[in-house]
Parts: sequence; structure tokens; C-alpha cells
Amino acid sequence: DAKTTQPPSMDCAEGRAANLPCNHSTISGNEYVYWYRQIHSQGPQYIIHGLKNNETNEMASLIITEDRKSSTLILPHATLRDTAVYYCIVRVVGSNYKLTFGKGTLLTVNP
Amino acid sequence: NAGVTQTPKFQVLKTGQSMTLQCAQDMNHEYMSWYRQDPGMGLRLIHYSVGAGITDQGEVPNGYNVSRSTTEDFPLRLLSAAPSQTSVYFCASSYPDRGQGTEAFFGQGTRLTVV
Repeated sequence: DAKTTQPPSMDCAEGRAANLPCNHSTISGNEYVYWYRQIHSQGPQYIIHGLKNNETNEMASLIITEDRKSSTLILPHATLRDTAVYYCIVRVVGSNYKLTFGKGTLLTVNP
Repeated sequence: NAGVTQTPKFQVLKTGQSMTLQCAQDMNHEYMSWYRQDPGMGLRLIHYSVGAGITDQGEVPNGYNVSRSTTEDFPLRLLSAAPSQTSVYFCASSYPDRGQGTEAFFGQGTRLTVV
């Protein structure tokens, strides 16, 4: 699986959009981009994933650049409950039994 | 629908003791995996299974055994506990990815301390 690079920490004001970047410059054509988050040492929670196109669900939006070398997770209206470590993961199609976690980005949402 | 259930939530072991961490899922997922998370680190894969009777090693398998006799259960055995195995252990399950991408569901973790 391709390596990912994320900033170690970010801050965001409550109610504002949180934009979390991820670099995956060595991504291959058959690799998804996944985002998970971990709130205070709980089990990781799935947020969203994409292959080529931008994606949106009830939690977030995922913007993938045209060359697929980077992506941005957008939480449109961050709340205090969104304070967590966010992991950007790249994995090959069909290998969802093994996820490679880096250290992620600690997002702190401030009142 | 309980999802992925791990027991116990906390455990303290003495060096050399053995124990089994339990993981059960009620979603009929074929894939199950065990991860460990050390302080300030991401999760690392210990063992995984793609179906009943099929297991394989992940990134950090030494000191751990697994078996998968049913779809629902995937226990992790520590053969002879060492302080280096002090960690938080997470179990995960998912459906196979048949080209559309699938999410993994994680348990709430077992916090193990080996003294």
C-alpha cells in the first residue's frame, strides 16, 4: 500500500469547516483512499472512502486531486465531538482485511 | 446488532502468563483482523482471517496465535506474555471488497498491561 503523509496536528473553530490534507504521491490506480478517525482511544470509526471521484456522505466530503496524489477530508461544520485523530489510509482494492495506519492528524476543535 | 464485541476491556497479566482476547461479530463478516496500538502510534496488524479456517500473519505476529473456527469469532492468544505486549488491542471485521470499497468495523479495544 502507498505511504501517506499527514500533518501531526490541526486546530479548527467550532462551527467552521475543518480541512484535513493527506499526501499519497505514490498511489496506484487500484488503490482507494480511506479516512478513519479515532476518538479518545476508542476503536477507529470509518468516515469515507474514494477511488477517483470526489465523495460526500452524511459525515464528510472527500476531495481527491485529479492526479490522485493528494486528498482533503472536509468536515463542513466541525463540532467539539469531532476532536479526534484522523487517519488517511491508502489500500489496494480487495485488501480491506489489512489497513496500514500512520500516526494521523490530531484535530482539535475549539469552542 | 452489537457489531464487534471485545472482551475483556481491561486486563493485567504477569510476565509469562497466557491469555486469550476474545472478539465476536454479529454482522456475518468474512474478514476479521487483530491490531495493536502502542502509545502515540497508529494501529499495526497482528493477524487476519479472510474466512473460517483461514488465517495469516500481519506486520507484528510474533508472540500471538489465532484461529478461526466460526465466522463470528476470532480469538487472539498470547502464549507467554511479555512487557513488550503491553498495548491496546483492537479487533476489526468487514465484508470482502469486491471492487466497491467496504468499511471495517472496529471493537472498543482491550487494554492489556503486562507486568
